[in-house]
Amino acid sequence: ETGVTQSPTHLIKTRGQQVTLRCSSQSGHNTVSWYQQALGQGPQFIFQYYREEENGRGNFPPRFSGLQFPNYSSELNVNALELDDSALYLCASSAPDRSTDTQYFGPGTRLTVL
Amino acid sequence: QKEVEQNSGPLSVPEGAIASLNCTYSDRGSQSFFWYRQYSGKSPELIMSIYSNGDKEDGRFTAQLNKASQYVSLLIRDSQPSDSATYLCAVRSNFNKFYFGSGTKLNVKP
Repeated sequence: ETGVTQSPTHLIKTRGQQVTLRCSSQSGHNTVSWYQQALGQGPQFIFQYYREEENGRGNFPPRFSGLQFPNYSSELNVNALELDDSALYLCASSAPDRSTDTQYFGPGTRLTVL
Repeated sequence: QKEVEQNSGPLSVPEGAIASLNCTYSDRGSQSFFWYRQYSGKSPELIMSIYSNGDKEDGRFTAQLNKASQYVSLLIRDSQPSDSATYLCAVRSNFNKFYFGSGTKLNVKP
């Protein structure tokens, strides 16, 4: 167990809807990164939040947005869901202030878009 | 060209053998390198991080980094059936972006 938690575990939505996924970082970690992992693929970097600011972003459209709260927990919001958004969404926390950028993953949220 | 490339496998080795997993990356400015293991239906778990050229050993695992060749490898000694999983190579670029390969599936046969 990494101490990183995510909710919900599973989610089913329909195309066009909006979804919010949540992540609590490991104690002492102030950085959260979000990834999308399609079946049979490696995780794709969506973005990273450090001290409540976006601190790096991958090649995802603006309908993927996020927030980080003062307690360092984070949300991933996806608007106008598409069928291709069906994937495992992973969050990972790290503590770069401690001279390490090693990321520890939560269990993930499985999103199905119908 | 993908930022991180791995052979998808499957790589099959007998129990007790050495498994060798390889990874190349395209961004010469990459700073940090990681190996993760992922069991089917689970999230990635960290095996090792490496930041400097050379070898880094942790138990049965040895990571090797060659920045000039843009190459990272992972050796697993005395492979066990419980090592059967997908192994993911990850790289942090100069622009604070993280890239994962598609993973190499390892099968360790008893």
